[in-house]
Amino acid sequence: EAGVAQSPRYKIIEKRQSVAFWCNPISGHATLYWYQQILGQGPKLLIQFQNNGVVDDSQLPKDRFSAERLKGVDSTLKIQPAKLEDSAVYLCASSLDPSYEQYFGPGTRLTVT
Amino acid sequence: GQQLNQSPQSMFIQEGEDVSMNCTSSSIFNTWLWYKQDPGEGPVLLIALYKAGELTSNGRLTAQFGITRKDSFLNISASIPSDVGIYFCAGKWDGNKLVFGAGTILRVKS
Repeated sequence: EAGVAQSPRYKIIEKRQSVAFWCNPISGHATLYWYQQILGQGPKLLIQFQNNGVVDDSQLPKDRFSAERLKGVDSTLKIQPAKLEDSAVYLCASSLDPSYEQYFGPGTRLTVT
Repeated sequence: GQQLNQSPQSMFIQEGEDVSMNCTSSSIFNTWLWYKQDPGEGPVLLIALYKAGELTSNGRLTAQFGITRKDSFLNISASIPSDVGIYFCAGKWDGNKLVFGAGTILRVKS
């Protein structure tokens, strides 16, 4: 069974630029999560989707971050404009439903200069 | 919000030694999870605990769900070089929301 796929794996941008990350969850997983992991910290949930609907985006900085999962499968996370403090690894995870184990992708390491 | 205090922050041990790490909180959780993260990868679930007082093993790993539901520990017996990595505890609350600790970095001297 293929795992959670993410791209790109690495991205370097200048502050005030825009960036987008892509996630393809495990086939059949209805729940998709985006986490931000700052160096030296544990992952922090940004947004949770159930199929194509948002369940929880309470910790998403909505003035600059947006995410969508239009067809209930793939998802994109966008940052516009980026700030220095957005430098982190962005992890995507998926699960069959919220009560099941979350499987994480390898993450996208973002560096904002 | 919910916060987890994970300790120690890092460990440097001899191969073959046993390892112990723990996680505490002022909040109650209904599930405790332990993950391992290797460099350049996402976290992988090692052990899940669902009941207060539960003691669960997975090979050389043993974890316990504290009786107060506010803490958990993870033990690794007879450490080997591939145990190197970052170990995270995570607590599930308000249904299925996950909060992670800051991690314990494990380094093993061979």
